[in-house]
Amino acid sequence: GQNIDQPTEMTATEGAIVQINCTYQTSGFNGLFWYQQHAGEAPTFLSYNVLDGLEEKGRFSSFLSRSKGYSYLLLKELQMKDSASYLCAFMDSNYQLIWGAGTKLIIKP
Amino acid sequence: GAVVSQHPSWVICKSGTSVKIECRSLDFQATTMFWYRQFPKQSLMLMATSNEGSKATYEQGVEKDKFLINHASLTLSTLTVTSAHPEDSSFYICSARGGQGITEQYFGPGTRLTVT
Repeated sequence: GQNIDQPTEMTATEGAIVQINCTYQTSGFNGLFWYQQHAGEAPTFLSYNVLDGLEEKGRFSSFLSRSKGYSYLLLKELQMKDSASYLCAFMDSNYQLIWGAGTKLIIKP
Repeated sequence: GAVVSQHPSWVICKSGTSVKIECRSLDFQATTMFWYRQFPKQSLMLMATSNEGSKATYEQGVEKDKFLINHASLTLSTLTVTSAHPEDSSFYICSARGGQGITEQYFGPGTRLTVT
């Protein structure tokens, strides 16, 4: 079967670093996506990993380990505007996205 | 990057009426479009997948006669909520992909539907 799991909610302090984990199980895999979604808005693309390792994009980095079925999104130098839900999703063998429930990130001053 | 638009952004309708939501890919040809529904504080739920020129594939539990999807061209897909009820009130989001094997999926801004 397929499943994907991420924490429901996390809290962090402005200026700090936070890591949001995502674990998944699937027989067919075509990559792992991270999206950011602010309340009342559609998701926006953050990152895509299909090979093992760390991809860095400015303050955001994403890591993938295919053998462990594990990914994380790392956010550095947190800003208040980073308060949002972060969705991880893997693409299965049919190129369909299978979504996690999202992690609500709360940033405190 | 590729742009996907949705129209309308929000709509209020009376119970029993039908509402049509349009999803357009503005600068690329979308061979596949996806329709999602999202209730407050919940994750995206895929409703259906549509390929240009063919019938949509609906997810389990989604009534195809209630949620009519038409993907008539490579840049336009429509979702019609027929005989809307208050429980259909939700955030409807479309996304589009350029072709099989292409992984990038671009989201529209969403349509907030309120049925009174």
